Amino acid sequence: GDSVTQMEGPVTLSEEAFLTINCTYTATGYPSLFWYVQYPGEGLQLLLKATKADDKGSNKGFEATYRKETTSFHLEKGSVQVSDSAVYFCALSAASNTGKLIFGQGTTLQVKP
Amino acid sequence: DTGVSQDPRHKITKRGQNVTFRCDPISEHNRLYWYRQTLGQGPEFLTYFQNEAQLEKSRLLSDRFSAERPKGSFSTLEIQRTEQGDSAMYLCASSLASGAAFLRGGYTFGSGTRLTVV
Repeated sequence: GDSVTQMEGPVTLSEEAFLTINCTYTATGYPSLFWYVQYPGEGLQLLLKATKADDKGSNKGFEATYRKETTSFHLEKGSVQVSDSAVYFCALSAASNTGKLIFGQGTTLQVKP
Repeated sequence: DTGVSQDPRHKITKRGQNVTFRCDPISEHNRLYWYRQTLGQGPEFLTYFQNEAQLEKSRLLSDRFSAERPKGSFSTLEIQRTEQGDSAMYLCASSLASGAAFLRGGYTFGSGTRLTVV
């Protein structure tokens, strides 16, 4: 079945460091890909998305490119801030258009000043 | 509209008791989803509704679980004869049904109901 695998956390970085959180997926067809973020004490929020191969999603300085050849959707940010500390979830929505999301296990990011 | 509301925020119950959670979606959203999230894991799909019709149920949703959305607005998730393994965060989300709208905005999640079975 469809699945999403994220790199293990926690990831601990100093402020202004470069961030990469790896995400790979297994799916039939052409899924849409998402990154959701969960800040402490809050619900999941959509961070960015990409709906077809080679699309780049971006928001709040974060970027991710849909790579069909490597089945990946890695999240990057050039300079992290303390306020980026959160749990990040990679997810896919299969081509069936039910809207059902399959999530990775999440990666905790801790940014230290 | 204040987003997706879930009630209660926390629930502690004894094993064997029944519990019911409520979700109020964004009013114009006709799809409503339930997910379960255990510690250190990503959310796992349980079921979803389009309007009042329950269109898909996960194998995770055992016979002790039932979900309803009687008028296509709010939804309830009931767990009968709770077990310690039911302890988790139960998340509700809503979206528009059209593929384009969903892909534009994804879901809106509620803050969840944390269930602890003792």
